[in-house]
Amino acid sequence: SQQGEEDPQALSIQEGENATMNCSYKTSINNLQWYRQNSGRGLVHLILIRSNEREKHSGRLRVTLDTSKKSSSLLITASRAADTASYFCATDSKGSQGNLIFGKGTKLSVKP
Amino acid sequence: DTAVSQTPKYLVTQMGNDKSIKCEQNLGHDTMYWYKQDSKKFLKIMFSYNNKELIINETVPNRFSPKSPDKAHLNLHINSLELGDSAVYFCASSQSGASEKLFFGSGTQLSVL
Repeated sequence: SQQGEEDPQALSIQEGENATMNCSYKTSINNLQWYRQNSGRGLVHLILIRSNEREKHSGRLRVTLDTSKKSSSLLITASRAADTASYFCATDSKGSQGNLIFGKGTKLSVKP
Repeated sequence: DTAVSQTPKYLVTQMGNDKSIKCEQNLGHDTMYWYKQDSKKFLKIMFSYNNKELIINETVPNRFSPKSPDKAHLNLHINSLELGDSAVYFCASSQSGASEKLFFGSGTQLSVL
């Protein structure tokens, strides 16, 4: 069953701007992960945040997690055309039999 | 070296046929997965497998069956293909389940005519 819901479904910005994508989920989690998928390619792991963490950084990426609101956000700063891709959140939920459940994704378009 | 490789990349076949998709990982991971991505880009877990346990998503038809000859391989067999099976199928692996990050293959685009 679907767990994460990304918002917005699509986002179009200019190069250099920041991009923020949100993810909401329904049940308690062990961790939440963000992945990127370029068109016609497999998914690439970006960052993992555990349920006892509130914020993580990796290069131009910043992920926050609010377990009280059951939500997470992914911020990409100073976006580049190469950041154009779909971004998915995925949750490792308590009771999911150890499987990652993916949301529907946010399609990000960064215009040069 | 490709960490998770799956073949073929494209598979076009007729309804009713039986087909297989192969997956191999050279990362030494314990757990492998098959995901299905539909035309709306929604990714759905089909199976997860380690050397001890196969977990099947109950919504997956029994026409789909994973076969693992060894820890590095998890192949997907599909019997009596239907039009609705058309999708992109991704193999993935992780060191020890969903508590760690997944490494994905590049996908197999299956088209059933």
